[in-house]
Amino acid sequence: GENVEQHPSTLSVQEGDSAVIKCTYSDSASNYFPWYKQELGKRPQLIIDIRSNVGEKKDQRIAVTLNKTAKHFSLHITETQPEDSAVYFCAASIQGGKLIFGQGTELSVKP
Amino acid sequence: DTAVSQTPKYLVTQMGNDKSIKCEQNLGHDTMYWYKQDSKKFLKIMFSYNNKELIINETVPNRFSPKSPDKAHLNLHINSLELGDSAVYFCASSPGGRSGSEQFFGPGTRLTVL
Repeated sequence: GENVEQHPSTLSVQEGDSAVIKCTYSDSASNYFPWYKQELGKRPQLIIDIRSNVGEKKDQRIAVTLNKTAKHFSLHITETQPEDSAVYFCAASIQGGKLIFGQGTELSVKP
Repeated sequence: DTAVSQTPKYLVTQMGNDKSIKCEQNLGHDTMYWYKQDSKKFLKIMFSYNNKELIINETVPNRFSPKSPDKAHLNLHINSLELGDSAVYFCASSPGGRSGSEQFFGPGTRLTVL
């Protein structure tokens, strides 16, 4: 059935290092892939998204890559800062616009 | 000027009670959703409405009943609350459409069933 796998579940990096979170999806018809950041006790908020007609998208320190053939997409955060510490969720859309979320990655950036 | 709002923010109640959570969006979006986020942080969709019409109804106990009086409001009523219903419930809205679009989340309602 519809599924999005996200890895790793936890990630700890030093301030200034890069962080990479990977997701795979099962529905080959998925065409929209957002990433959400959720700080402790707060709501999930969109940080970047990509559509299936694009292979890569960048916004300052954040980038997302998409490999439709392999059904993989990844989030890259460069020059990490302590305020990047949060839970990150990937998601993939399926028919009708429904989003299936990954299990989340708890990112900890140590000063 | 809050985009998606929910009330209440916290809800503590006894097992067996009935409770409601309200959601409103002022973004003019056509589609609204309810998600449940459990203690492991997993975000699972429960329901989706498009222009007051139910379009997604996941495998959710029928003790949960959504109601959309108009496209700006989506409420969630829960009957006979159980311990396992304890979670954070998020409302969200999006412009809708078949190809997927950004979903804007409300602040969440933390439900604790004792």
